Amino acid sequence: AQSVTQPDIHITVSEGASLELRCNYSYGATPYLFWYVQSPGQGLQLLLKYFSGDTLVQGIKGFEAEFKRSQSSFNLRKPSVHWSDAAEYFCAVGNSGGSNYKLTFGKGTLLTVNP
Amino acid sequence: DSGVTQTPKHLITATGQRVTLRCSPRSGDLSVYWYQQSLDQGLQFLIQYYNGEERAKGNILERFSAQQFPDLHSELNLSSLELGDSALYFCASHRGSYNEQFFGPGTRLTVL
Repeated sequence: AQSVTQPDIHITVSEGASLELRCNYSYGATPYLFWYVQSPGQGLQLLLKYFSGDTLVQGIKGFEAEFKRSQSSFNLRKPSVHWSDAAEYFCAVGNSGGSNYKLTFGKGTLLTVNP
Repeated sequence: DSGVTQTPKHLITATGQRVTLRCSPRSGDLSVYWYQQSLDQGLQFLIQYYNGEERAKGNILERFSAQQFPDLHSELNLSSLELGDSALYFCASHRGSYNEQFFGPGTRLTVL
């Protein structure tokens, strides 16, 4: 069964510092991988996605992620964090076969940004 | 705005009651997925419908059911509610391979 692990429950960074959120997945084939962000009381917004091809993907709001098959990882990065980036971040793996593209989410990483 | 709408935004009810959550997918999307987000379980897939037919089930309780109507909107029915059913319920719509799911704003259910 597919699974996602986000090892860090809570991360605190200073505004302007770099950020890396970790994500490890388990999936039998080439996965579809996603990062979503959820602000308090809000829904889920897609930051970026990986289906195939270039392993470094660019997303919205200056985020990027790198797919590393050998490490089963899809870490999210941002070179300089803004206060508005404070939110909860979810990594997800999606089925890449059949007709059910359900997402399996990690438990999330809560990001706090200090001024 | 994802283009996916959910109503109501908030729902407060009592144990033992039944509620219906509604979702309208993005125009042209045939698939609707329902997810539950709770503090202890996180975000979990409940059920998928595609063009009116059930396609896949996840960790959905027998007290819960869903359907998708000819106009493609979907309803999630929760019955015999328990305190532990309090959660945020999301629906997402999807168009097919190599596409992401677009999430609605969610319905926050509180069972007292």
